[in-house]
Amino acid sequence: NAGVMQNPRHLVRRRGQEARLRCSPMKGHSHVYWYRQLPEEGLKFMVYLQKENIIDESGMPKERFSAEFPKEGPSILRIQQVVRGDSAAYFCASSPQWGTNTEAFFGQGTRLTVV
Amino acid sequence: GDSVTQMEGPVTLSEEAFLTINCTYTATGYPSLFWYVQYPGEGLQLLLKATKADDKGSNKGFEATYRKETTSFHLEKGSVQVSDSAVYFCALQGAQKLVFGQGTRLTINP
Repeated sequence: NAGVMQNPRHLVRRRGQEARLRCSPMKGHSHVYWYRQLPEEGLKFMVYLQKENIIDESGMPKERFSAEFPKEGPSILRIQQVVRGDSAAYFCASSPQWGTNTEAFFGQGTRLTVV
Repeated sequence: GDSVTQMEGPVTLSEEAFLTINCTYTATGYPSLFWYVQYPGEGLQLLLKATKADDKGSNKGFEATYRKETTSFHLEKGSVQVSDSAVYFCALQGAQKLVFGQGTRLTINP
């Protein structure tokens, strides 16, 4: 059973370009979470999605950032018109449900560098 | 809102030393509590968890006890190894997301 797969592992974009980060959850998992980790900082929640629904996007910047989790295919985190401050590691996690004994499994992250 | 506060790092110890990393939390209700570990260049891995007051989570020699009265979940290990060098994150399970502390970088010298 493959774990949470994120790609690409490393992404370099010039300022003003678009970045698309992909996350394939573990088999059987319908809940996906995106977190951002700035250098030497903790993980900041961005968005929580279930298939075809955004449940909680309270951590998403109001502009340039969007996320989706379609019925088929991976979850996508999209950053439009990237700026240097978007450089960070973006982690995806998945779980089969949400509850007291639910464990979230993390991918290895996508490290975005904006030049 | 829910929050987690961890001991400031970095922490540097010698091999076989005793380790404590402090973690306190603020939350409504009774959240589940977790410790995650992140090795260099990797994602987060669940180290241990506790789902109710007085529960003790343990794994790979690490332990943490859910203390409701002090709202704490301190991580301990009796004898650390070089391979324990990593960043450790305390987290709580909020309404619909995991809330993380800022992380503590641990370096173990041989």
